[in-house]
Amino acid sequence: EVQLVESGGGLVQPGGSLRLSCAASGFTFSNYWMHWVRQAPGKGLVWVSRINSDGGNTNYADSVKGRFTISRDNAKNTLYLQMNSLRPEDTAVYYCVTLHYRPEYWGQGTLVTVSS
Amino acid sequence: QSALTQPASVSGSPGQSITVSCTGTSSDVGGYDHVAWYQQHPGKAPKIIIYDVIDRPSGVSNRFSGSKSGNTASLTISGLQAEDEADYYCNSYKTGGTYVFGTGTRVTVL
Repeated sequence: EVQLVESGGGLVQPGGSLRLSCAASGFTFSNYWMHWVRQAPGKGLVWVSRINSDGGNTNYADSVKGRFTISRDNAKNTLYLQMNSLRPEDTAVYYCVTLHYRPEYWGQGTLVTVSS
Repeated sequence: QSALTQPASVSGSPGQSITVSCTGTSSDVGGYDHVAWYQQHPGKAPKIIIYDVIDRPSGVSNRFSGSKSGNTASLTISGLQAEDEADYYCNSYKTGGTYVFGTGTRVTVL
C-alpha cells in the first residue's frame, strides 16, 4: 500500500523556522519527482516546490523562493521542506504529492500555523 | 505567479451537465498539455480526476471529461450527481519548471 506521511507541522512565531518531512512507502520513491502543495484554511491549493528524482534540480513558487528549501534522502525514502523566515501567510496544510504521475499520490497533510 | 482563473461557483440540477473553465496564459495552459483537474471534498485531500487535459485515471467516472482551447481548459461533468458536490481545481505546468493551480470552483448540486 502506498503511503505518504507528512510530519513536522505545528505552531511557530513569525520569523521562525520549521522542517517538514514526508515519509514515503509502497512505491519506488527514488524514481519520482516530488512536490509540496499547500492550502491555507478555507482557501485554495497553491503549488510550493518540486525536486527531481536525484535531488539535483529544484523549483519554487515566487512566494517562498529564498525562504524555503526542498530536499530529499532517497536512502530514507523521505522528502523534506525547510521553511525559514516564516510569515503568517505561510499558515496552511502542507501536502507532499507525486504531482501528475499516474497514479498520483497525496499525503494527508500537516498543518503549519505561523502566529505570535 | 498568478493563479489560473476559475469561476468561484457553478451549480446545476441532478442529471444536468455543467462546465468549469480554467483560464491561463500561453506560458501555462496554452503552452502545454500538462493540465490536470482535482476534486476535493471538505476535510479531504484532493483527488486527481483528469490528467494531461483529457485523460481519466482508472476508477474515475466517465461523467468527467476535459478539454482545452487556446489558453482555457475546461472540465465538464455530465449527469450531475449529489456526490459531485465539491471543490474543483485545475493545475498546469508553467514555463520554467513551476506549476500553478486555479482559484478553485465550488460545484453545487441543486
